[in-house]
Amino acid sequence: AQTVTQSQPEMSVQEAETVTLSCTYDTSESDYYLFWYKQPPSRQMILVIRQEAYKQQNATENRFSVNFQKAAKSFSLKISDSQLGDAAMYFCAYEEAAGNKLTFGGGTRVLVKP
Amino acid sequence: NAGVTQTPKFQVLKTGQSMTLQCAQDMNHEYMSWYRQDPGMGLRLIHYSVGAGITDQGEVPNGYNVSRSTTEDFPLRLLSAAPSQTSVYFCASSSRWTVTYEQYFGPGTRLTVT
Repeated sequence: AQTVTQSQPEMSVQEAETVTLSCTYDTSESDYYLFWYKQPPSRQMILVIRQEAYKQQNATENRFSVNFQKAAKSFSLKISDSQLGDAAMYFCAYEEAAGNKLTFGGGTRVLVKP
Repeated sequence: NAGVTQTPKFQVLKTGQSMTLQCAQDMNHEYMSWYRQDPGMGLRLIHYSVGAGITDQGEVPNGYNVSRSTTEDFPLRLLSAAPSQTSVYFCASSSRWTVTYEQYFGPGTRLTVT
């Protein structure tokens, strides 16, 4: 079974600074998707960014970017120019290409200091 | 377009009671899933469906039943509630025909079993 590990329970960042969240995963598949989801206190799950494993280019979405290292099975999220609204739980998730089953990491809480 | 809707938002049950959590989506997605989120943890897959009439077990299926008679609806039944089922439940839908192939989540149901 696939596993997803987020080793940082909590990260703190100053407003306008950059923070990087770590994620590692274990799989024997070669084709899959990776996601970062944001969960604010409202508990709504919001997709932040996605990465297809067959693409070497790292995905970016405005202030959010990933560093995808397929051989190392690493998928980190960088939040640039952090804003107060970025404060939330962030979950890394893995999905096999053949199905719609997400495997989540344990989450990292991001605190943004004004 | 309401997306994914879940009812109720909150529910308190006594041990041994049964109930059904409702989930509906209006995006004509073929895939639907149920996840549970325990305090301080990521989401874990309970059951999923790849289309009407087809369901399968996820990581933590014990104590839950599902059926999918229509594309739109995917109810989750708790057969005999136990305190260990106290959790927040999320329904999600997705489609392999969308560009992002992301899962769309409902707002969640907070269930407490006493």
